[in-house]
Amino acid sequence: EEQLVESGGGVARPGGSLRLSCAASGFTFDDYGMSWVRQVPGKGLEWVSGIKRSGDTTAYADSVRGRFTISRDNVKNFLILQMNSLRVEDTALYYCTRGFLGGPLDYWGQGILVSVSS
Amino acid sequence: EIVLTQSPGTLSLSPGERATLSCRASQSVSSSYLAWYQQKPGQAPRLLIYGASSRATGIPDRFSGSGSGTDFTLTISRLEPEDFAVYYCQQYGSSPPFTFGQGTKLEIK
Repeated sequence: EEQLVESGGGVARPGGSLRLSCAASGFTFDDYGMSWVRQVPGKGLEWVSGIKRSGDTTAYADSVRGRFTISRDNVKNFLILQMNSLRVEDTALYYCTRGFLGGPLDYWGQGILVSVSS
Repeated sequence: EIVLTQSPGTLSLSPGERATLSCRASQSVSSSYLAWYQQKPGQAPRLLIYGASSRATGIPDRFSGSGSGTDFTLTISRLEPEDFAVYYCQQYGSSPPFTFGQGTKLEIK
């Protein structure tokens, strides 16, 4: 059974950093592109970043480009989102998802909360 | 960036009725790379439809998608109580960012 489990969320100060991890299991990880999607509680969904299965191509939403970095470890089956220069508006529930270029987001983790506050 | 506009914002219907949700794109969505997701309170979204009209694994056939280019529709033929939720469309074509619509809330009348 396909499973995505996020970790690493929590509270950070504006300007601070957090590193989100997503452990993937139940499927061949390096067969799929992966993405992060976020959602402010009570609001809509925002695609944040994605990475091709080989890791050689990445993409970002304008709102996070230059501050967030997506990467993956195809040996340990992990997806990573390094978040630097955090802003209050980055506060959201972050979902790890399977899917990227040309592929729908067909599996989702349960989400991890990131709160940026002074 | 492709902007997706969903309508209506809220749809009030009764179980057994037919629901029609719309998603309009600001420019053509390549190769019909358009998906629909359902989200219930406290849960992660779930993929319903991909490629504009293909049902995801395990999705009942009362859910159907149609459309191409800039106009897409999600139809629920006969509403069940568990179908009342928020629905989002998303384009995932060749050029990021892979934007979502703002959502349609389907509520019980």
